[in-house]
Amino acid sequence: DQQVKQNSPSLSVQEGRISILNCDYTNSMFDYFLWYKKYPAEGPTFLISISSIKDKNEDGRFTVFLNKSAKHLSLHIVPSQPGDSAVYFCAVHQGAQKLVFGQGTRLTINP
Amino acid sequence: EAQVTQNPRYLITVTGKKLTVTCSQNMNHEYMSWYRQDPGLGLRQIYYSMNVEVTDKGDVPEGYKVSRKEKRNFPLILESPSPNQTSLYFCASNGGQGRGKLFFGSGTQLSVL
Repeated sequence: DQQVKQNSPSLSVQEGRISILNCDYTNSMFDYFLWYKKYPAEGPTFLISISSIKDKNEDGRFTVFLNKSAKHLSLHIVPSQPGDSAVYFCAVHQGAQKLVFGQGTRLTINP
Repeated sequence: EAQVTQNPRYLITVTGKKLTVTCSQNMNHEYMSWYRQDPGLGLRQIYYSMNVEVTDKGDVPEGYKVSRKEKRNFPLILESPSPNQTSLYFCASNGGQGRGKLFFGSGTQLSVL
């Protein structure tokens, strides 16, 4: 069973608009969440994270929101740029640096 | 340049022929791990190592072996590969600089025929 779910396999957004990527998790004991970005032929790279003691964390154009009661987090990218086209993975930290990943969402930014 | 290096990038083999995928990091990280990426499943942890001579199973360890004889190297061994091990493999490391902040290699695409 998937403990972390990204229900949208793909998302297409116009350049300059907001991109919103969603992620749901099953275990209310999870306390640290991350987003990774992956370009083709490269490994995933860390993008942004959030602890369960917060409900929002912002880094430049990227903001992660955490809704603990709904067991849901989202990544907002504003404004979206062509270089943001990539696969985005949501992940939860399970201790000993272990990450449990979602299935990924392919984001395409259209000019 | 700080990096995690995997080799080979692409590998095609046949069922039952032993193979090793190498992984090396130059950041003096204690923690290293292996993940496989499959469509619709995301990345799943195979094995991890907290330090030299300390390894443990992840979520999908069947059919794999690892060793950690040196801090920088963490090879993944498939003693008798099968077609269900066809996948994209990633090695990762972490030096304690942030929870869950892994540095990944560029990946090894393995096809077992």
